Parts: sequence; structure tokens; C-alpha cells
Amino acid sequence: AQSVAQPEDQVKVAEGNPLTVKCTYSVSGNPYLFWYVQYPNRGLQFLLKYITGDNLVKGSYGFEAEFNKSQTSFHLKKPSALVSDSALYFCAVRDPNHYGQNFVFGPGTRLSVLP
Amino acid sequence: KAGVTQTPRYLIKTRGQQVTLSCSPISGHRSVSWYQQTPGQGLQFLFEYFSETQRNKGNFPGRFSGRQFSNSRSEMNVSTLELGDSALYLCASSLERGYTDTQYFGPGTRLTVL
Repeated sequence: AQSVAQPEDQVKVAEGNPLTVKCTYSVSGNPYLFWYVQYPNRGLQFLLKYITGDNLVKGSYGFEAEFNKSQTSFHLKKPSALVSDSALYFCAVRDPNHYGQNFVFGPGTRLSVLP
Repeated sequence: KAGVTQTPRYLIKTRGQQVTLSCSPISGHRSVSWYQQTPGQGLQFLFEYFSETQRNKGNFPGRFSGRQFSNSRSEMNVSTLELGDSALYLCASSLERGYTDTQYFGPGTRLTVL
């Protein structure tokens, strides 16, 4: 069965510093990986996805993520954090080898960017 | 293009009642998925509809049901509400041309069961 882990419940960084939000996954085949962000009282907003190709994926709002097959990871990164990046971040995986399987989301990581 | 819309945004019900939530997907999107989000359990998949057929179902009791109409709009129903059903219910739509498609989420319906 597919699964996603986000090992850190919370990440705190200072504004202007680089940020990393970690994600590891488990699927039987080649995964499709997604990152979403959720602001208070809002739905999830799509940031970026990895399907195939270049391991470094660039997305919205200056975020990027690096796919590492050997470490089964898909960490979200941003070179310079903003206070407005403070939110709840979700990693999700989809296994194309399991027809009908929907997205599986990680538990979420709360990012706090301190001014 | 308008995003995914969900109505109502907030609901307060009492135990034993039933509730119906509505979701209008992005124009042209044929797949609609529903998720329950709670602080303790995180995001849990309820079910997915595609072309008016339930294609996939999560591990929820039969009190949770849904349907999709010919215009891709979807409703979910929860009967005999329990306190534990209090949650944010999120709807997501996608084109579903294939597994690479992105799901786009609505703002959610906050259900409180008293």
C-alpha cells in the first residue's frame, strides 16, 4: 500500500533563511508526488508535482522540490522564506500501478516563519 | 476560470441529524473527490466520483454517501450524525485524463456536530 510520511510536525525558520519541509513515501512503483499548502480556514492549494523527468521541480511562490528515488524522498524547499509562507504543508502520493487508488496525503507539517 | 466551490461553508447540526454538502468542480473537470480533515486523523479520503459513478471509496461507514450529477456537480450526505463527524470536508476536482492530473481543492465546509 502507498503511504507518505512527513517526519516533522512543525518547522520553524527565520524570515530570509532557506526552508525545507521533508517528505518520504512508499509505493510499489514509480510515484507521482505532489505538494499542497493550506492557509487557515482555506482549502488546499497546489504548489507543485513530480511526474517524471528532472528531479528538481519548480512550483508556485518560489517553492521547489527535489525527487530522490534512492532515498524515496520529495523534500520541499525555498531559498528565502517569507512570513507569509507560514502555513500547513501536505505531501501527497499517487501510485499509478494501483488503478483506482486516489491520493494519499501525509499528516502535514506546520511551517512557521519568524520575522 | 472559477475554482472549486463548496456550499455551505459552515454548518452546525445536532447528533442524529443528517446533512448534505455540495461541491461544484472547475468547469470541464469530470472527477470529484471528497476528503475529511480533522486535527487527529489528518486528511482522509472519503470517495471519488467520475462520470456519475463512484470509482473509489475510502474506509468510512455507510452513513457517508455521495453522488455525482451529469454536470459533474457532486453532493455528499452524512446520515445519523455523530460528534466525531465534526470536521472540515474538502472537495477536490480534476480533469482525470490520467494519473498525472492535479486535484484542485475547494475551500471546504466546516461541519460542527453538537
